[in-house]
Amino acid sequence: QSVLTQPPSASGTPGQRVTISCSGSSSNIERNNVNWYQQLPGTAPKFLIYRNNQRPSGVPDRFSGSRSGTSASLAISGLQSEDEADYYCAAWDDSLNGPVFGGGTKLTVL
Amino acid sequence: QITLKESGPTLVKPTQTLTLTCTFSGFSLSTFGVGVGWIRQPPGEALEWLALIYWDDDKRYSPSLKNRLTITKDASKNQVVLTMTNMAPVDAATYYCARQLNYYGSGSSFDYWGQGTPVTVSS
Repeated sequence: QSVLTQPPSASGTPGQRVTISCSGSSSNIERNNVNWYQQLPGTAPKFLIYRNNQRPSGVPDRFSGSRSGTSASLAISGLQSEDEADYYCAAWDDSLNGPVFGGGTKLTVL
Repeated sequence: QITLKESGPTLVKPTQTLTLTCTFSGFSLSTFGVGVGWIRQPPGEALEWLALIYWDDDKRYSPSLKNRLTITKDASKNQVVLTMTNMAPVDAATYYCARQLNYYGSGSSFDYWGQGTPVTVSS
């Protein structure tokens, strides 16, 4: 049971916009920045979004993030087949004194 | 170029101690704001954070595994070592090490990851 709650799956067709939610609590998302990771099949996670809505160098601007209260979301616009992957949110948890991850969302591009 | 690579046994027996080494290059664990963490992922399951060590030797552990974990660093060798005692079949997973930077505004910001090393626990 992950501390952060994500929907197990999401889907969209090429060109569509999809969003993935991440629900937490006052000890994590509400107080601390949220990060997002993309994990392509059989590979290590890739740093996708930091500080709620910032993109590391090299990440396309099709990916965007937001945070409000105890929830955060990742949006992918102009969906492409190569976006098919697992997506994880993460945040520091003040109660656990460490980072916590969501359960992951498997994105399928139909 | 920043790289991290995990090494260690692929198979351990139940009750044994697992020792994993993360060897990195392209950054220093003596630099302010730098940390290295361990994260694992059981087959088909989610990521789970295990431990973190910072440039100043501050250490953090997952509360649920704290009694079984030890993380150490050798900055001169560019290595971080994780030991996990009393291994059980439920500990089978791919174990990743990753760099954490305070620059990104969160202790959950892991910007570079190793390729991961699979560990099986079986007699």
